[in-house]
Amino acid sequence: QKEVEQDPGPLSVPEGAIVSLNCTYSNSAFQYFMWYRQYSRKGPELLMYTYSSGNKEDGRFTAQVDKSSKYISLFIRDSQPSDSATYLCAMNPQGGSEKLVFGKGTKLTVNP
Amino acid sequence: NAGVTQTPKFQVLKTGQSMTLQCAQDMNHNSMYWYRQDPGMGLRLIYYSASEGTTDKGEVPNGYNVSRLNKREFSLRLESAAPSQTSVYFCASSERRGTGELFFGEGSRLTVL
Repeated sequence: QKEVEQDPGPLSVPEGAIVSLNCTYSNSAFQYFMWYRQYSRKGPELLMYTYSSGNKEDGRFTAQVDKSSKYISLFIRDSQPSDSATYLCAMNPQGGSEKLVFGKGTKLTVNP
Repeated sequence: NAGVTQTPKFQVLKTGQSMTLQCAQDMNHNSMYWYRQDPGMGLRLIYYSASEGTTDKGEVPNGYNVSRLNKREFSLRLESAAPSQTSVYFCASSERRGTGELFFGEGSRLTVL
């Protein structure tokens, strides 16, 4: 079983839709959970960051972590064409960013 | 605000040639990283430098060497390029170890023929 599993998609939604992106993981030592957004031919950029369990909201974006189920989610409300990108989940145990494990990414297209 | 700058952005090599990818960050970060990104494989860590003067292997270090020239600069060298090293290479930096908050460059696309 891979440490981090992420459905690669692609996912195509109409503008204004609510988008749900998910990752599952197997390592219970993970403490830090992140979502990175990567536009085509660009480097990933940190979108959301959560420590341990719970929800975090930033504008149209909400990140959820359920450590009991080893499941994390990113919700995008009122999706826009500018949200079209690949979304990478990432997680890390305590002790060093060199231990960061990335999902393979979900490609999202928001159609106007 | 330059952030993390990588050069070159594109490079084509022949098998056996050598080259160095350059990376510089202007955020005064202690830690720097080199990743490669391949379709279906995701991001994989090649080497990292937790602080100036130290370097360590990541998940896929074979065929690569690195140099942490100073706090700002971290270079990746391919001594004898192979087609399997065709990839997009990303340099990243972070301020705080242990959290995973990385700042990435825009990438260097390398093709080895």
